[in-house]
Order: sequence, then structure tokens, then C-alpha cells
Amino acid sequence: GENVEQHPSTLSVQEGDSAVIKCTYSDSASNYFPWYKQELGKGPQLIIDIRSNVGEKKDQRIAVTLNKTAKHFSLHITETQPEDSAVYFCAASKGAGGGNKLTFGTGTQLKVEL
Amino acid sequence: KAGVTQTPRYLIKTRGQQVTLSCSPISGHRSVSWYQQTPGQGLQFLFEYFSETQRNKGNFPGRFSGRQFSNSRSEMNVSTLELGDSALYLCASSLWGEETQYFGPGTRLLVL
Repeated sequence: GENVEQHPSTLSVQEGDSAVIKCTYSDSASNYFPWYKQELGKGPQLIIDIRSNVGEKKDQRIAVTLNKTAKHFSLHITETQPEDSAVYFCAASKGAGGGNKLTFGTGTQLKVEL
Repeated sequence: KAGVTQTPRYLIKTRGQQVTLSCSPISGHRSVSWYQQTPGQGLQFLFEYFSETQRNKGNFPGRFSGRQFSNSRSEMNVSTLELGDSALYLCASSLWGEETQYFGPGTRLLVL
């Protein structure tokens, strides 16, 4: 089955700096890659996603890049703010047509320090 | 539009008991998936339902079961609870044919 690895497990940055979280996946049939943010006591919140026919996607301070050949994708957060502090999860699936099961990475605890 | 709702939010049970958790998807969403989140195993897929049918199942024992009703609401049941079943159980809904899943706040189950 699919396996998703995520690095780093913890990341500490200064406010205003950029943060990068990287994930690799094993199943070449995966074609949908969402990123979720989870704050304490809450469920995961979708922040951005990318499909395999796209190499990069940006939404304000957040961007995701996908390298299908290398089977890795990354989350980039620019101009980090204290409210960005949370646990971030990457995930992969074969999409709605292949069974909508999400396989998650192990999470990255991001801390934005003042 | 209201998000995914899950009830109850917190639950304490003892070993050997059974538990039923409920999930109401976003209005119009007919696909519901369940995930278990633990510190040790992370987020793991349990099962997915669409149109009252289980469409996909994760690698969990038969003690874990679910169902979906005609109004798309879903329940999951865990029988003969074990200490290791203590976890946050998350429900996610999506439009049929779309990959994007929206999660509820979860039900935190503690098994003593």
C-alpha cells in the first residue's frame, strides 16, 4: 500500500521567516496531495491541495510543489506568523476514482517564535 | 454552510464495552470517511461510505464497523473496547466524485 514520509517532525522558525515541509510517497498511482493544518483540540483543516497534473500551486502565503518523477511534494509557508503554529500533515490518495482513502504523513510540529 | 459535526466530542468507556460515534457530513456531501488518530500510529484510515455502502476499508479488526444512513449521516461502532482503542476518531466528508475531504472536530475516546 501507499506509504508517506514527512520531514521534519518539528520545525522552529522566527516570525517572518519561511518554513518548508517535505513529503515523499511510494505509490506512483497516487494523484491527489492535500495538506492539512491541525490546531490543538481541533480536527485537521485543509489548507491547500495539488493534483498530479499540476507542478505548483499557490494561495497567498502558502504554496505547494509536486515532483511526480521523484515522488515528493513540499509545503512552503512564507512570512510566517504566530498563528501558523500548529501541526501540519501531508497526505496522498489515488483520488475519488481510485478510492478516496487518504494516507497521511507523520506530521510536522511548526512553531513560529516572536 | 455548517461544517462536519461529530457527537459526542468526548467519551470515556471501560475495556470490554462498546461505543457508537456519530457524524453528520456537510450538507450535500454524500461520501463519509472515518480516521483514527493516535500519538503512536498517527492518522489512519478506517473506512469510507457512500450511498449507504462501504466503499473502502482500512486495516482494522472486525471490532470496528460503520454504517451510513439515507441522509448521509454515518455512525461507527467499536465493540469489545481495548485500551489501545483510545484515540481521536475523525470523520471527513466530501462531494461524491471529488477528492477534497473536510474533517470534523473529532470524538476523543478514552478507554480505561
